[in-house]
Amino acid sequence: GENVEQHPSTLSVQEGDSAVIKCTYSDSASNYFPWYKQELGKRPQLIIDIRSNVGEKKDQRIAVTLNKTAKHFSLHITETQPEDSAVYFCAARRSGNTPLVFGKGTRLSVIA
Amino acid sequence: GAGVSQSPSNKVTEKGKDVELRCDPISGHTALYWYRQSLGQGLEFLIYFQGNSAPDKSGLPSDRFSAERTGGSVSTLTIQRTQQEDSAVYLCASSPRPSGGQETQYFGPGTRLLVL
Repeated sequence: GENVEQHPSTLSVQEGDSAVIKCTYSDSASNYFPWYKQELGKRPQLIIDIRSNVGEKKDQRIAVTLNKTAKHFSLHITETQPEDSAVYFCAARRSGNTPLVFGKGTRLSVIA
Repeated sequence: GAGVSQSPSNKVTEKGKDVELRCDPISGHTALYWYRQSLGQGLEFLIYFQGNSAPDKSGLPSDRFSAERTGGSVSTLTIQRTQQEDSAVYLCASSPRPSGGQETQYFGPGTRLLVL
């Protein structure tokens, strides 16, 4: 089955700097890669996703890149703000509505 | 509209007791998922319902865990003879009918279970 590895487990950046979180996956049939943000005590919220027919997707300060050959994808947050502090999870799955396989999460701290 | 809701929000129980956790998905969503999140860990898949199909139970950690979904809507996750290692946040998610693409999963607030 699918296995998703996520790095780093913790990340501290100065406000205004960029943050990058990387994930690798094992199942070459996976074609959907969402990223969720989870604030302390809250539910995971989808912030961006990418499908395998594109290599990059951007939404304001957030971007995701996908390299299908290498089986890895990354989340990029630019101009970080204190409210970006949270745990971020990557995930992967095959087509349809099958369950997501999650990475173990990255705790991002943005220092003002 | 209303999002995914779960109840109770918190549950404290004694080892050996049974517990029931409830999930109300977004109205009209055909897929429903249960995940477990242990302290400081990622989300672990438990069970998945899609419409009227047989559920995918491949993630259930033991036969003490079971789930049902009545009328294609509300779901109940039951843990029998709870153990301390069952302590975790149990998250439910739902997604709409597949339309040829990838459907977003929307999460509920979770039930925080503590087994003493």
